[in-house]
Amino acid sequence: GESVGLHLPTLSVQEGDNSIINCAYSNSASDYFIWYKQESGKGPQFIIDIRSNMDKRQGQRVTVLLNKTVKHLSLQIAATQPGDSAVYFCAEKTSYDKVIFGPGTSLSVIP
Amino acid sequence: KAGVTQTPRYLIKTRGQQVTLSCSPISGHRSVSWYQQTPGQGLQFLFEYFSETQRNKGNFPGRFSGRQFSNSRSEMNVSTLELGDSALYLCASSPGSETQYFGPGTRLLVL
Repeated sequence: GESVGLHLPTLSVQEGDNSIINCAYSNSASDYFIWYKQESGKGPQFIIDIRSNMDKRQGQRVTVLLNKTVKHLSLQIAATQPGDSAVYFCAEKTSYDKVIFGPGTSLSVIP
Repeated sequence: KAGVTQTPRYLIKTRGQQVTLSCSPISGHRSVSWYQQTPGQGLQFLFEYFSETQRNKGNFPGRFSGRQFSNSRSEMNVSTLELGDSALYLCASSPGSETQYFGPGTRLLVL
C-alpha cells in the first residue's frame, strides 16, 4: 500500500525534555500536512497542521517544521510529559486527494 | 459537538462471511473517510465519501465497498472475509477536504 516516511521507529525521551519526531513525505505536489497522535485503543487525534506555503507553525507545546526542498516534516514537542506517550503519524495530502499516512513513530516518555 | 462514533466497536467473524460497519460523523461534516489499520501496513486509505458520492478510493479489492447516506452517516461493507482483513477500521469526518477527525474504530477479527 501507499505510505510516507520511514519504517516505524521508536523514540524514548526523559520527562521534561524536548522531543523531535521526523517524517519524510513522498509527493512533492502535496500541499497540506498533518500530525496525528494515537494513544492505545483510540483513533488518531489531530495535533497540528501546516500548509506548503509555510515552513513553521506553532501550537501549544508543539511546533511543526516543513522543509519542502528535502520533503521533510518534523514535530517538536516541548517539555515532554508522560501523557505524550503515543504513536505519532505524519500525513500528506494534495487538494481534494486522499490523505496518505506515514508508518508512525512510537514515543515513550520516561518519568 | 459529539465526536465521530463507530459501531460496533468489536466484531468477530469467520472467513467467507460479510460485515457492515457504521460511522456517524460530527454534525455538519459532509466528508467521511475510511481507513484500515494493521501493525504491518499501518494506516491505509480505503475510500472517501462527500455528499453521498465517492470522491476518492484507495487500492483495495472490490470486496471493500462503502456508501454514504443523506444525513452523512456512512457504512462500509467487506464481503467474503479473509483472515488478512483482521484490522482496526477507522472512520474520519471532515467539514470539507482537510482536517479529519477520527472515531475510535471498529476492531474486526476474522477467524
